[in-house]
Amino acid sequence: DAKTTQPTSMDCAEGRAANLPCNHSTISGNEYVYWYRQIHSQGPQYIIHGLKNNETNEMASLIITEDRKSSTLILPHATLRDTAVYYCIVRPNQAGTALIFGKGTTLSVSS
Amino acid sequence: NAGVTQTPKFQVLKTGQSMTLQCAQDMNHEYMSWYRQDPGMGLRLIHYSVGAGITDQGEVPNGYNVSRSTTEDFPLRLLSAAPSQTSVYFCASRRNAGDQPQHFGDGTRLSIL
Repeated sequence: DAKTTQPTSMDCAEGRAANLPCNHSTISGNEYVYWYRQIHSQGPQYIIHGLKNNETNEMASLIITEDRKSSTLILPHATLRDTAVYYCIVRPNQAGTALIFGKGTTLSVSS
Repeated sequence: NAGVTQTPKFQVLKTGQSMTLQCAQDMNHEYMSWYRQDPGMGLRLIHYSVGAGITDQGEVPNGYNVSRSTTEDFPLRLLSAAPSQTSVYFCASRRNAGDQPQHFGDGTRLSIL
């Protein structure tokens, strides 16, 4: 799997947008970008994924650059409950391939 | 749907004891996997399975055994526990097709003295 680079930590004020960057400069054409998060003491939770186009769901938006070498996860109105570790992962669109986690970005949302 | 269920939630073992961590899913997912998570680190893949009867090693397989006799269950066995295996263990599953998201259990917190 392609390696990803994320900042170790970020801060965000409650109610503001949280923009979490991820670099994946060696991504291959068949690899998807996935975002998961892990709230303290819980199992990781799927947020969103995409291949080329920008994606949006009820939790977040995913912006992927045209060259696909980086992406940004956007939480439009961060709340205290969004405080978590956010993981950016790339994985081939292929059955049986593993999801490899890095250390992620610790997002702290404060009031 | 219960999703991914892990038992037990907590366990304390003595060095050299054996134990099986249970994982079950009721979503008819083909793909299942086990991770461990240590303080300050991300999740590391131990073993995974792409279907009943098929297992493979991940990043950190030493000291762990797995089997997959049914689609629903994917137990993780520690044959002779060591203090280095003190960790939080997560089981996950997904439909084994393309870009499906992965579902995680709530974890088993294991301490080995």
